[in-house]
Amino acid sequence: EAGVAQSPRYKIIEKRQSVAFWCNPISGHATLYWYQQILGQGPKLLIQFQNNGVVDDSQLPKDRFSAERLKGVDSTLKIQPAKLEDSAVYLCASSSLSSGGASYEQYFGPGTRLTVT
Amino acid sequence: DAKTTQPNSMESNEEEPVHLPCNHSTISGTDYIHWYRQLPSQGPEYVIHGLTSNVNNRMASLAIAEDRKSSTLILHRATLRDAAVYYCILRDIRGSTLGRLYFGRGTQLTVWP
Repeated sequence: EAGVAQSPRYKIIEKRQSVAFWCNPISGHATLYWYQQILGQGPKLLIQFQNNGVVDDSQLPKDRFSAERLKGVDSTLKIQPAKLEDSAVYLCASSSLSSGGASYEQYFGPGTRLTVT
Repeated sequence: DAKTTQPNSMESNEEEPVHLPCNHSTISGTDYIHWYRQLPSQGPEYVIHGLTSNVNNRMASLAIAEDRKSSTLILHRATLRDAAVYYCILRDIRGSTLGRLYFGRGTQLTVWP
């Protein structure tokens, strides 16, 4: 089966510019996650969608970050305006519930490496 | 979020077994123990998970202490391709946190030829 697709793979922008990332999850996966991974650290969850609804966005800096998943399939994450500290890899992941609802895994895309200068 | 403690780095020689430890002394009864790994320039990938009993799959084995306060990921024969950052994560199956993964810094595994 096709994996999680993300684009672009790399992006360089200047501070105060805006940028958008796109994610297409594995077909049929209802849950979609966006993570931010700063160099040398583990991924940090930004937002979780269940179908087209937000389940958790408590770690999303809402003054500059926004995300949507309008049709419950693909998703976009936007940063406006970008700051130097937003330089990171942005990872998208998807998952589907197992019958027990407690043992499924997350499948990650390759990520988008953002550099803010 | 339940915390895990892992060594920052470990080394192994190719074709030797590797035991990656993880301490999780504050684990709760509803926390599953998950392991993911991240190869260079890739997103994390699932390795294995367990609740109480030891688990085996094609990639690795997971040994869980009887009191569940620690676990060990075992790679039976390390290959160069196993060089990665390994994350030990406690995943709570309750309520609104269902499915979420909270990553630490993990253990950087270096495999020497």
